[in-house]
Amino acid sequence: AQTVTQSQPEMSVQEAETVTLSCTYDTSESDYYLFWYKQPPSRQMILVIRQEAYKQQNATENRFSVNFQKAAKSFSLKISDSQLGDAAMYFCAYRAIQGAQKLVFGQGTRLTINP
Amino acid sequence: NAGVTQTPKFQVLKTGQSMTLQCAQDMNHEYMSWYRQDPGMGLRLIHYSVGAGITDQGEVPNGYNVSRSTTEDFPLRLLSAAPSQTSVYFCASSYLTVGRNYGYTFGSGTRLTVV
Repeated sequence: AQTVTQSQPEMSVQEAETVTLSCTYDTSESDYYLFWYKQPPSRQMILVIRQEAYKQQNATENRFSVNFQKAAKSFSLKISDSQLGDAAMYFCAYRAIQGAQKLVFGQGTRLTINP
Repeated sequence: NAGVTQTPKFQVLKTGQSMTLQCAQDMNHEYMSWYRQDPGMGLRLIHYSVGAGITDQGEVPNGYNVSRSTTEDFPLRLLSAAPSQTSVYFCASSYLTVGRNYGYTFGSGTRLTVV
């Protein structure tokens, strides 16, 4: 079974600085999808960024980018120019392409932005 | 607006009571699922469905029942509520076929307290 691990329960960063959240996963599949979700205090799950495993190029969405290392099974999220509104829980998630295509989540990282 | 509608948003139950959490989507998604979110454990899959009439167990199915009589609806039933079922519950849906539109859409969550 696939597993996703986020080893940083909490992270903090100064406003306007850069922070990287770590995520590793375990799978025997060669093709899959990876996601980062943001959950603010409103509880809503918001898609931040996604990556197809067959693509070598790292995904980027404005201030958010990923470092996808397929061989190392690593999928870290970099937030540049951190803003107060970035404070939230961040979840890394994996979705298989074959079979039941379930979405598997990591434990989450709580990000605090210090003004 | 198109999306996943989840009701109720909050619920308090007494131990032993039963209830149904409702989930409906209007995007014609084949795949629907229920997750529970507990501190430090991320989101864990309870049950999922890949189409009307087809359901299967996830990681933590005990104490919960589901059915999928239509594409749109996927209710989650708590048979005899226990304090261990105090959690935040999310419904999520997605297209099943591989393609560009492989992301999940989440409901707004239900905070359930069992006393």
